[in-house]
Amino acid sequence: QSALTQPASVSGSPGQSITISCTGTSSDVGGYNYVSWYQQHPGKAPKLMIYDVSNRPSGVSNRFSGSKSGNTASLTISGLQAEDEADYYCSSYRSSSPQVIFGGGTKLTVL
Amino acid sequence: EVQLVQSGAEVKKPGESLKISCKGSGYSFTSNWIAWVRQMPGKGLEWMGFIYPGDSDTRYSPSFQGQVTLSADKSISTAYLQWSSLKASDTAMYYCARKLDSRNWFDPWGQGTLVTVSS
Repeated sequence: QSALTQPASVSGSPGQSITISCTGTSSDVGGYNYVSWYQQHPGKAPKLMIYDVSNRPSGVSNRFSGSKSGNTASLTISGLQAEDEADYYCSSYRSSSPQVIFGGGTKLTVL
Repeated sequence: EVQLVQSGAEVKKPGESLKISCKGSGYSFTSNWIAWVRQMPGKGLEWMGFIYPGDSDTRYSPSFQGQVTLSADKSISTAYLQWSSLKASDTAMYYCARKLDSRNWFDPWGQGTLVTVSS
């Protein structure tokens, strides 16, 4: 199965905002409000940052926000900090097998 | 604290069998799914499947169906991922993660188990 489409890399300076896109189809991203985002620092396990398109788990900074339009979901990080430098993955529920699909990942560099 | 703790790194030869584990604590282990996710070296995340420890209901990704087996022992709050005959291409980090029933996200994640298959 094809992964959701994410840009391979994005970058921004401290204090700036960046947005990472995640494009799927009407069978996954566009069809359900079940998009989640994960942050992964090198050598570490992924961490949930956003669930159900735009909800933040307890403890996640409000600098992280999510949205969706049509078949594309987006993760926005405002007020970039050095600690935000990591890989970010989107994920979506799918109506057909496989039930879960991930994006290819986006490497965020804080300049 | 909800926590998943995975077994340690493994080095195996092609053709050998392997079973790695994921122990849950701090929540009702039998009422939540456990997902397994593969991350090959330098690559992204791939969903392998889920198991519901309460009744051992399993769902596999087509890419992994028949290649691995998911199981669970609810008496010790532990889920397992096993291979009967490893290949070099199984070399990867494997993560378990909790999925709440009827929810579609994974949280928390285990620390990962690195499996290296080399002759």
